[in-house]
Amino acid sequence: SQQGEEDPQALSIQEGENATMNCSYKTSINNLQWYRQNSGRGLVHLILIRSNEREKHSGRLRVTLDTSKKSSSLLITASRAADTASYFCATASANYNFNKFYFGSGTKLNVKP
Amino acid sequence: DVKVTQSSRYLVKRTGEKVFLECVQDMDHENMFWYRQDPGLGLRLIYFSYDVKMKEKGDIPEGYSVSREKKERFSLILESASTNQTSMYLCASSVRAGATGELFFGEGSRLTVL
Repeated sequence: SQQGEEDPQALSIQEGENATMNCSYKTSINNLQWYRQNSGRGLVHLILIRSNEREKHSGRLRVTLDTSKKSSSLLITASRAADTASYFCATASANYNFNKFYFGSGTKLNVKP
Repeated sequence: DVKVTQSSRYLVKRTGEKVFLECVQDMDHENMFWYRQDPGLGLRLIYFSYDVKMKEKGDIPEGYSVSREKKERFSLILESASTNQTSMYLCASSVRAGATGELFFGEGSRLTVL
């Protein structure tokens, strides 16, 4: 399977702490994306990193990508209770017509106020 | 903003019933996808479509079919619902493969088959 796999499956931290989630995948990719899902809702795109990029920032989010290790990490700095959600990595292989995405099973983050 | 709308948030059906899940997007996206999400299994791709009347099987197409008669609408059909199809179903859309290719998701349809 090409699925990304997140680690840890669950993470509980105090507000203000940093949260780090990891993702490993198996085959070559076009890009890797992170998504967030609030309980019972759809997924929302957070950040995309291309296969030729090593690090990317967006607000309190920092994503790294190591294609030699086939892994990525998502760091949320200065976490807030509102960051409580599940986080998924998705790897994309592409052809002319579409990106085909593979999702892992997610990391469930709980930020305690 | 892109909006992907799924017609029903919650459905309860009986075994053997035919079930239609509708999805509409308003951003003229070429690609549309249906995923199911189950605890511990992540999102698994059922079917996708990269153009009107075009469809491709995903990883778990058995027991499902799809229809894309118009660019904005992608329907998932369960011909004869079974209890193992109880799940959260998520529709998504994206532009044709390119630099971004991010997925835009609907709010999901939680289906219970009794």
